[in-house]
Amino acid sequence: EAQVTQNPRYLITVTGKKLTVTCSQNMNHEYMSWYRQDPGLGLRQIYYSMNVEVTDKGDVPEGYKVSRKEKRNFPLILESPSPNQTSLYFCASSPSGTNPHYGYTFGSGTRLTVV
Amino acid sequence: TQLLEQSPQFLSIQEGENLTVYCNSSSVFSSLQWYRQEPGEGPVLLVTVVTGGEVKKLKRLTFQFGDARKDSSLHITAAQPGDTGLYLCAGGVNAGNNRKLIWGLGTSLAVNP
Repeated sequence: EAQVTQNPRYLITVTGKKLTVTCSQNMNHEYMSWYRQDPGLGLRQIYYSMNVEVTDKGDVPEGYKVSRKEKRNFPLILESPSPNQTSLYFCASSPSGTNPHYGYTFGSGTRLTVV
Repeated sequence: TQLLEQSPQFLSIQEGENLTVYCNSSSVFSSLQWYRQEPGEGPVLLVTVVTGGEVKKLKRLTFQFGDARKDSSLHITAAQPGDTGLYLCAGGVNAGNNRKLIWGLGTSLAVNP
């Protein structure tokens, strides 16, 4: 089944403890992206990757890091999480980052709480 | 700042009723996508429209892209409880060598049996 898999689904952590949220897609998509979704603010892009070894900042990159060493994986790293990073996070992929005909396939989300 | 405004924000209707939700902007988009999101899950793509005036149908759902590619509508005929969810629109804009999506805040639809 074509899908984007995120892990974990739920995570509660403490301020300052480094964490990684994994994302993997099995559709050979070139483009991958991370979003956070907050009430009243909607979906906001954190980072995106046009292809392997090519990543760039989205609208809210502060406090996050990403890497794209393989086409299928795009982990999101929080080096020192803070309570304002409590949110619902989504990974998404698309066959192309430039072709307007393609939509995004989203993962099921990771609900992160930082205390 | 590019914005996509969705209306209404909330909608509660009875099974069998028709409804239309709107997605409006002052910006021109290269594409317009509609997604449906259920609680605790990721958005699921319903349709992509790219040509001004384009109309696409998906069973009881009809999507239209405005002639000027600044707005879109989603019409649902004879709504069913399974249509309940958050409907999101997203407009595509070119940002350098990247196609960026501008997201609306969504219309939360509840269809009551």
